[in-house]
Amino acid sequence: AQSVTQLGSHVSVSEGALVLLRCNYSSSVPPYLFWYVQYPNQGLQLLLKYTSAATLVKGINGFEAEFKKSETSFHLTKPSAHMSDAAEYFCAVSDRRGSQGNLIFGKGTKLSVKP
Amino acid sequence: NAGVTQTPKFRVLKTGQSMTLLCAQDMNHEYMYWYRQDPGMGLRLIHYSVGEGTTAKGEVPDGYNVSRLKKQNFLLGLESAAPSQTSVYFCASSWTGVGSYNEQFFGPGTRLTVL
Repeated sequence: AQSVTQLGSHVSVSEGALVLLRCNYSSSVPPYLFWYVQYPNQGLQLLLKYTSAATLVKGINGFEAEFKKSETSFHLTKPSAHMSDAAEYFCAVSDRRGSQGNLIFGKGTKLSVKP
Repeated sequence: NAGVTQTPKFRVLKTGQSMTLLCAQDMNHEYMYWYRQDPGMGLRLIHYSVGEGTTAKGEVPDGYNVSRLKKQNFLLGLESAAPSQTSVYFCASSWTGVGSYNEQFFGPGTRLTVL
């Protein structure tokens, strides 16, 4: 069975500081991996996805994530935080073989950005 | 394109009342999903559909029913609402085939309160 663990339900950084949100996954088969962002009172928006084309994936708004198979990790980073990055971030995993396209989500990490 | 839309945006019910949440997508996606989001729990899959006329149970299906009579619509019903069903409900859709990678597209959510 697949699972996702996001370390830290809340992360606080200063504006301009590095953002690092951690995600570890468990999957018996090569996975697809996703990061979604949820701004207050909105739905989820895709930030980036790993599909095996490249281990370093670049997404929107300056975010990127690196797939590390040996560590079963897919951590999300951004070199310099902006106030507009304050949101909740969800990591998700999917079985490449289909599973009707089902995604398994982590519990989320809420990012706060201090001025 | 409107993408994925959900009706209504907010609703307050009394215990025992029934209601239907409507999800519509205009992207001709085959797969559709209903999730609930609760604080600290991430997103949990209620039911999903892999095509018109088909439905299947997800992780937390009890107390809910669904129907997919038209490809573009996916309805979530609560027959007898309970306070434990107070949550934010999200609908999502995805397409199949080469290049889809199981990416899901989300609606804006419905905030339901059961008193």
